Amino acid sequence: EIVMTQSPATLSVSPGERATLSCRASQTVSRNLAWYQQKPGQAPRLLIYGSFTRATGIPARFSGSGSGTEFTLTISSLQSEDFAVYYCQQYNNWFRTFGQGTKVEIK
Amino acid sequence: QLQVQESGPRLVKPSETLALTCTVSGGSIDTNSYYWGWIRQPPGGGLEWIGNIYHTGSTYYNPSLKSRVTIAIDASKIQFSLRLTSVTATDTAVYYCVREAAAGTAHWGQGILVTVSS
Repeated sequence: EIVMTQSPATLSVSPGERATLSCRASQTVSRNLAWYQQKPGQAPRLLIYGSFTRATGIPARFSGSGSGTEFTLTISSLQSEDFAVYYCQQYNNWFRTFGQGTKVEIK
Repeated sequence: QLQVQESGPRLVKPSETLALTCTVSGGSIDTNSYYWGWIRQPPGGGLEWIGNIYHTGSTYYNPSLKSRVTIAIDASKIQFSLRLTSVTATDTAVYYCVREAAAGTAHWGQGILVTVSS
C-alpha cells in the first residue's frame, strides 16, 4: 500500500493570501497524483491530475507541482469559495490511496 | 455530460449485506480507458477507495475490504454495483460511485449515506 501523507492538517489563511499544501507518498508515484477539493455536504471535485494539469473549469489560481514522492498544491490568492478540505490521491498503483486531507480555513 | 448516481438502502443491519447500485447516464459504460469505482467517507472522516471494475469485468479491491467486497457491472443496464458483506458500524459512511480515468476521477455521484444500525 502506498501511504499518502498530507501536511499540514489545518492551514489558516487570510483571503487574498497564498496557500501551499503538501502531499508525500511513501514510494514513488511518478506523476500519477491528483488533488481534490471538498466542501461540506458535497462530493469531492477534481482540481489537478497528472501532478500539474488543471481539470476542466478549474481557475488558474490553482497549480500543482512535484513528481516521485513530493507534491504541492498552491492556491495563489485565496478566494472565499476556496475554503474547504483538500485531498491528494495517487493512482500510480492499482490500489488507489488518498491522503488524510488538509483543511484550509479562514484566518 | 456524463453523470453517475447512487441508489440503494440507507439503513442496513449489522452482519447483513450492503448493496448499492450506480446508474450511469450521458455516456456508455463499456468504454475503453475508464474504470468504474466506489469510494466511501465515514462521517467527519477522510476518503477511502473501495475498488473498481473495468467494462470487461476485471476488478481491483482495497485489500482491507477484499474479503467482503464485490463490484459487478451490467452494461446492458448501464449500471454497476457494490456489495459489502458482514457490515458493522464502522461501515457507516457516505458511499460515492465514480468514473476513474488516467486524467483523475472527475465524475462523482452525489453520494449516499448508508448507516449500519439495528
